[in-house]
Amino acid sequence: VQLLETGGGLVQPGGSLRLSCAASGFTFSSYGMTWVRQAPGKGLEWVSIIGHTGVTTYYADSVKGRFTISRDNSKNTLYLQMNNLRAEDTAVYYCAKKVMVRGDNWFDPWGQGTLVTVAS
Amino acid sequence: DIQMTQSPSSVSASVGDRVTITCRASQGISSFLAWYQQKPGKAPTLLIYSASILQSGVPSRFSGSGSGTDFTLTISSLQPEDSATYYCQQANSFPFTFGGGTKVEIK
Repeated sequence: VQLLETGGGLVQPGGSLRLSCAASGFTFSSYGMTWVRQAPGKGLEWVSIIGHTGVTTYYADSVKGRFTISRDNSKNTLYLQMNNLRAEDTAVYYCAKKVMVRGDNWFDPWGQGTLVTVAS
Repeated sequence: DIQMTQSPSSVSASVGDRVTITCRASQGISSFLAWYQQKPGKAPTLLIYSASILQSGVPSRFSGSGSGTDFTLTISSLQPEDSATYYCQQANSFPFTFGGGTKVEIK
């Protein structure tokens, strides 16, 4: 199982960026997926989650209305469209596979992360 | 939102010591709790899910317990490779919040 994030970089405040997460080694279309971020020197912050079909999505309040999670099951790829970026969005963004069993959920495995820096 | 509070925020212990990390939820979350380990510069990895089930491949010196609001991660005999930051995460309801982390250092 492998997850590879791409698309990070330097962007100005108010700008946009789209992250991608290419999945391999498992049946991508059968699993929910999630994005988690980590600001420099800080802890983990859950960002967003999407169901296996792409119909169901949830967001953290800090990104709601600005970020959009989506997926293309034909390409085994997860996306995070980030608009109106703020300095506080600066972080390493990780994608992870969501495992759900008997109503419980956990994230395994995680990708290596991609760094997003919002600065002028 | 459910708040997850970890303690201590850091701990320094010797090889072979028993280390205990606690995680408290602001409301009951049944057993919907996971623990992750993160080493510097690396992505987190899953240690324990459903509060007490050890992920495949994780050494048996790691164990988890608890339900409701109070949870514990125990390292029974600390090893040098256990130097890392540990996070709890609740999956009872959205948003799936993480604890603030506990940094474990080797004396």
